[in-house]
Amino acid sequence: AQTVTQSQPEMSVQEAETVTLSCTYDTSENNYYLFWYKQPPSRQMILVIRQEAYKQQNATENRFSVNFQKAAKSFSLKISDSQLGDTAMYFCAFMKSFTSGTYKYIFGTGTRLKVLA
Amino acid sequence: NAGVMQNPRHLVRRRGQEARLRCSPMKGHSHVYWYRQLPEEGLKFMVYLQKENIIDESGMPKERFSAEFPKEGPSILRIQQVVRGDSAAYFCASSPGGTGRYDEQFFGPGTRLTVL
Repeated sequence: AQTVTQSQPEMSVQEAETVTLSCTYDTSENNYYLFWYKQPPSRQMILVIRQEAYKQQNATENRFSVNFQKAAKSFSLKISDSQLGDTAMYFCAFMKSFTSGTYKYIFGTGTRLKVLA
Repeated sequence: NAGVMQNPRHLVRRRGQEARLRCSPMKGHSHVYWYRQLPEEGLKFMVYLQKENIIDESGMPKERFSAEFPKEGPSILRIQQVVRGDSAAYFCASSPGGTGRYDEQFFGPGTRLTVL
């Protein structure tokens, strides 16, 4: 069975600084997807970034980038130039890839990030 | 194009009552997923449905919980004889389905169930 571990329950960062959130996972699959989701106080789940395991290049989305280490089963999220609006819970998630389609996210327990003014 | 809609947003029930949670997928989406988020935890998969079919209910408790996605109308997650431990946020997600590598899921705003 797949598992996702986020070992940092809470983190804080000064506005405009950079912060890295950690995530490790365990799987015997070779093809899969990894995600970071943001959940602000509104509780809406917002996709931040997605990484496909067969791609070696790390995904980036504006101020958000990942460090994907497939052999180490590590998938960290770096937020550059942190903004107050980045304050939220961040969830790392795993999804197996099926030839007929994918489904069933497996989420970590989350990291609560607070950006300080 | 409206996003995934869930109603009600907040639901309060007394122990022993029934809770019905509704999810309308995005237009053109035929796949629906239900997840539960207990306080201070991540979302956990409950069930995956396509129109009129349950594909995977491996995350659903064996008793009191059921889900359906009829040919017409929203998907319904039904919890009978609720207990305090059922208090949680229930999220629905939908996807278009397809034969490609990846089928992106879009989440609704969730229904927060409180059992008194």
